[in-house]
Amino acid sequence: LAKTTQPISMDSYEGQEVNITCSHNNIATNDYITWYQQFPSQGPRFIIQGYKTKVTNEVASLFIPADRKSSTLSLPRVSLSDTAVYYCLVGDNTGGFKTIFGAGTRLFVKA
Amino acid sequence: DTAVSQTPKYLVTQMGNDKSIKCEQNLGHDTMYWYKQDSKKFLKIMFSYNNKELIINETVPNRFSPKSPDKAHLNLHINSLELGDSAVYFCASSAVGTGGAGGSYEQYFGPGTRLTVT
Repeated sequence: LAKTTQPISMDSYEGQEVNITCSHNNIATNDYITWYQQFPSQGPRFIIQGYKTKVTNEVASLFIPADRKSSTLSLPRVSLSDTAVYYCLVGDNTGGFKTIFGAGTRLFVKA
Repeated sequence: DTAVSQTPKYLVTQMGNDKSIKCEQNLGHDTMYWYKQDSKKFLKIMFSYNNKELIINETVPNRFSPKSPDKAHLNLHINSLELGDSAVYFCASSAVGTGGAGGSYEQYFGPGTRLTVT
């Protein structure tokens, strides 16, 4: 199973773009890259998933280079409510997702 | 409507007791999971069920047993509770992926059950 490495914490200010990079050097051919967000006292919430290149939805963008050994979650114009822990996961999706959550990145958004 | 629900939200009990946590999903998903989040906030998968079959069984003590009466429910039974079992337990569900490109396999998590063993 591919392991992931993320920064432990990041600080930002409201209105800024935040980029969180995740390293996954041992990613396998069938693995997808998924990001989750977790607020205190809540379960994680899916943000975005991708396989290669760039994926964008209404919440975030995910940039994946050609070698797929890393990925970057981009949050445009963060607000105070984006303060949360962000988890990067890699794994295949056949027959159920064998998920390993790392320690995540704690993002603090300041006013 | 709540997609994934868990009961109870809080559970305080003494060592040695047996307890259960219930989970229900109304998303029509094929796979359900149980996770444990410890005090350091690490999330660890414990079990997953696909169409009533256990497909992932991590190295958890056999005091923990998942029971799925149907596709929409996955309950967690814990026997002989220990202090180290204190944690937040999350239930989740997802559609089964088909591999390869395309498809959506995100997991939907419940609100969690905070278990405190005294």
